[in-house]
Amino acid sequence: KAGVTQTPRYLIKTRGQQVTLSCSPISGHRSVSWYQQTPGQGLQFLFEYFSETQRNKGNFPGRFSGRQFSNSRSEMNVSTLELGDSALYLCASSLGGRKQETQYFGPGTRLLVL
Amino acid sequence: GESVGLHLPTLSVQEGDNSIINCAYSNSASDYFIWYKQESGKGPQFIIDIRSNMDKRQGQRVTVLLNKTVKHLSLQIAATQPGDSAVYFCAENLRQAGTALIFGKGTTLSVSS
Repeated sequence: KAGVTQTPRYLIKTRGQQVTLSCSPISGHRSVSWYQQTPGQGLQFLFEYFSETQRNKGNFPGRFSGRQFSNSRSEMNVSTLELGDSALYLCASSLGGRKQETQYFGPGTRLLVL
Repeated sequence: GESVGLHLPTLSVQEGDNSIINCAYSNSASDYFIWYKQESGKGPQFIIDIRSNMDKRQGQRVTVLLNKTVKHLSLQIAATQPGDSAVYFCAENLRQAGTALIFGKGTTLSVSS
């Protein structure tokens, strides 16, 4: 079974632009969570989607948004990019989105904001 | 805010040694803990998990110990191999936080042969 896939793997943007990242969960998985990883802050939870609904949201500004499609694929969008948004963005999927259920991570999208 | 921390940022061991990676958590409301391994250029890979109603759980070459009294979590890797070299993260799931995970800052394990 294929793992979690993320596209693109690398991205370079300039301040003020917006970006959309994509995540395809493991086949059959219905929950997708997004995390931001930076050297300074580590791994931080952004949000979680299940059945096309955002169920949980971390402490990030409204510039960070996401959505999930009927096939469970998810996208996250960052508008008005700032230098501090440079990070590795990871998505994780789980089968039913239940607590204490294993979350499997994709390889991430590395975003560089210039 | 609540966070999960690791005692040591780096750990160097010889191939064949046993490794112990420690993690302290601060939130007594956490009821689920996970260890992830992250190799360079890859996403975190699930290693083992433990629920708060357990003290110990064993996997293949790995053991996780949970001490709720002192809010301490450890990962033991037996017969460490060069392929175990990576950054190890502990993560906790708060009872009231849905599936959101709170990660510690990670320990870099270096295994020399």
